[in-house]
Amino acid sequence: DAMVIQNPRYQVTQFGKPVTLSCSQTLNHNVMYWYQQKSSQAPKLLFHYYDKDFNNEADTPDNFQSRRPNTSFCFLDIRSPGLGDAAMYLCATSRGQEVEEQYFGPGTRLTVT
Amino acid sequence: GQNIDQPTEMTATEGAIVQINCTYQTSGFNGLFWYQQHAGEAPTFLSYNVLDGLEEKGRFSSFLSRSKGYSYLLLKELQMKDSASYLCAVLDSNYQLIWGAGTKLIIKP
Repeated sequence: DAMVIQNPRYQVTQFGKPVTLSCSQTLNHNVMYWYQQKSSQAPKLLFHYYDKDFNNEADTPDNFQSRRPNTSFCFLDIRSPGLGDAAMYLCATSRGQEVEEQYFGPGTRLTVT
Repeated sequence: GQNIDQPTEMTATEGAIVQINCTYQTSGFNGLFWYQQHAGEAPTFLSYNVLDGLEEKGRFSSFLSRSKGYSYLLLKELQMKDSASYLCAVLDSNYQLIWGAGTKLIIKP
C-alpha cells in the first residue's frame, strides 16, 4: 500500500543531544510537510518542501532544520533539543501545493530527558 | 491574525447525532477540511468543502457557509470508535493550512 512512513515511532533523547527524525513516502507526492503537535493543540507547521523548494515558517526556531535528499525522503533535525521540544512530530505529503488533502504518517513521539 | 475556533470537548451518546462547529477568520479562503485524529495517532482526512452547502459522506456530513465563516461536522449513528479529536483546518489565500486545536469527542454507551 502507498503510504507515509515515519521512523522511529517513539524517540527518547537527552537535553541538548542532536536527534534526527525520518519520513519516507511511496505516494510520489511533490509536497512534504513537517508538523509539531503538542497535546490538545493544533498541528504547527514547521517546514514544507514543494519538490526541492524549501519553505521555512517564520516562527520555526533555528534549532530545527530539515533536509529532503530526494522525492521519497525527508528528515527533521533538532540540533539541541530542549524540554519544550517534546511533542509528536507529524510528517505529511500532498500531490500539489494547492487544494489537496494531506496524507499523514503515524508520527514520532519525541521525549526529551 | 488568522484564527480557527472550535469547542474543546463534547460528549455524546452511542447511536445519537452530534454537530461539531468551527468558525474561522483567515486571510483568504480556498476551502475547509475536517480531519479525525484518534489519540496518539495521525490525522486522517474526512471531508473538504469549498462551496456553501452540505456534503454528505455516509454517517458524516460537513456544512459550509463562507459568508458566515462557519462550518460544522455532523456525525450520525454514533459508534464508540468515533471517539476521537476532530480538527477543522482552512486553506488560506497562500494555500497554507490553518489548523484549529481540535474538538475532543467522547462517546458514552
